[in-house]
Amino acid sequence: SAVISQKPSRDICQRGTSLTIQCQVDSQVTMMFWYRQQPGQSLTLIATANQGSEATYESGFVIDKFPISRPNLTFSTLTVSNMSPEDSSIYLCSGLGDEKLFFGSGTQLSVL
Amino acid sequence: GQNIDQPTEMTATEGAIVQINCTYQTSGFNGLFWYQQHAGEAPTFLSYNVLDGLEEKGRFSSFLSRSKGYSYLLLKELQMKDSASYLCAVWMNRDDKIIFGKGTRLHILP
Repeated sequence: SAVISQKPSRDICQRGTSLTIQCQVDSQVTMMFWYRQQPGQSLTLIATANQGSEATYESGFVIDKFPISRPNLTFSTLTVSNMSPEDSSIYLCSGLGDEKLFFGSGTQLSVL
Repeated sequence: GQNIDQPTEMTATEGAIVQINCTYQTSGFNGLFWYQQHAGEAPTFLSYNVLDGLEEKGRFSSFLSRSKGYSYLLLKELQMKDSASYLCAVWMNRDDKIIFGKGTRLHILP
């Protein structure tokens, strides 16, 4: 099984700033995804992180707001740009391998 | 498009059996996952079904019917620690992405 290290685990940020979340997988995964989870709700897919190319975004999410990088098979970053209080949420990275979706421990973001 | 439905909440008694249903309509289908999530924690893997039928893993079993777009998670001999949210997720082969249902919050009563 894969272990995904995600950091930071939490942060409190000011409106208008940006935060970059990093995920490192300890083994190769075929796909990596970024999800958002609002309090008391399920996971919403933000985008699929594609190795060496632009991420594939879901409806309602755009690259200017959530730029994503995946320079190799085991590392990805998500930036939350120009933050507003509405961006306060938990952000989860995940990797697909061996027909299992593994998750990082999540980043709890609060925007003031 | 995609649509994944699960009941919002369920309540069961310690020691009993509960079945959590999930129906889906998606453009393309590879398989279906079930995850357990306790409050404040990341989801943990329970099962992955690709073929029709029932797969059993200890107290937890998962069933899939591809033709009906239907799955269920069966939890036996319920324990208090089973109080959690249970998430159904579909791996769509058309866009190669994994979409989650809204989750079912399971409450276990002593």
